[in-house]
Amino acid sequence: AQTVTQSQPEMSVQEAETVTLSCTYDTSESDYYLFWYKQPPSRQMILVIRQEAYKQQNATENRFSVNFQKAAKSFSLKISDSQLGDAAMYFCAYRSARGWDRDDKIIFGKGTRLHILP
Amino acid sequence: GAGVSQSPRYKVAKRGQDVALRCDPISGHVSLFWYQQALGQGPEFLTYFQNEAQLDKSGLPSDRFFAERPEGSVSTLKIQRTQQEDSAVYLCASSLVQFATNEKLFFGSGTQLSVL
Repeated sequence: AQTVTQSQPEMSVQEAETVTLSCTYDTSESDYYLFWYKQPPSRQMILVIRQEAYKQQNATENRFSVNFQKAAKSFSLKISDSQLGDAAMYFCAYRSARGWDRDDKIIFGKGTRLHILP
Repeated sequence: GAGVSQSPRYKVAKRGQDVALRCDPISGHVSLFWYQQALGQGPEFLTYFQNEAQLDKSGLPSDRFFAERPEGSVSTLKIQRTQQEDSAVYLCASSLVQFATNEKLFFGSGTQLSVL
């Protein structure tokens, strides 16, 4: 079974600085998707960034970028120029790309709470 | 509506009481998921619907949990004889097509259930 591990329960960063959130995962599959979701106090999960495992190029979305190391099964999120609105829980997540069946559900890590210091 | 709507936003139940949680997905969305998120944890998969068909209920923790989506739109998650360990946020998510492609998943704001 696939697992997702986030080893940093909480992190803090100074406003305008850069922070990196870590994520490792375990799978025997070769094709899959990886995600970072943001969950603010409103509880609504917001997709931050998505990476297809078959793509070697790291995904970027404005101030958000990932460092995808497939061999190491590592998927870290870098937030540049941190803003107060970035404060939230961040979840790393995995989904198989085989097609929907009971093994294709999104699997989430336990999350990292990010604090932005003014 | 423009997004996934869940109601009620908060629910307090006495232990042993039955509860029903509602999810209104985005209009036209085929796939619907329920997740359970305990305090300080990541969401855990409960069940999945494609239209009205419940294709996967492997995450339902016990036979006290029951989900339905009779007309392929609104879904209800029912918990019978609630226990304290059922206290959690219940998240609903939907996507436009069968979630077998790189389709985006839209989440609601969840129902926070507290069992006293």
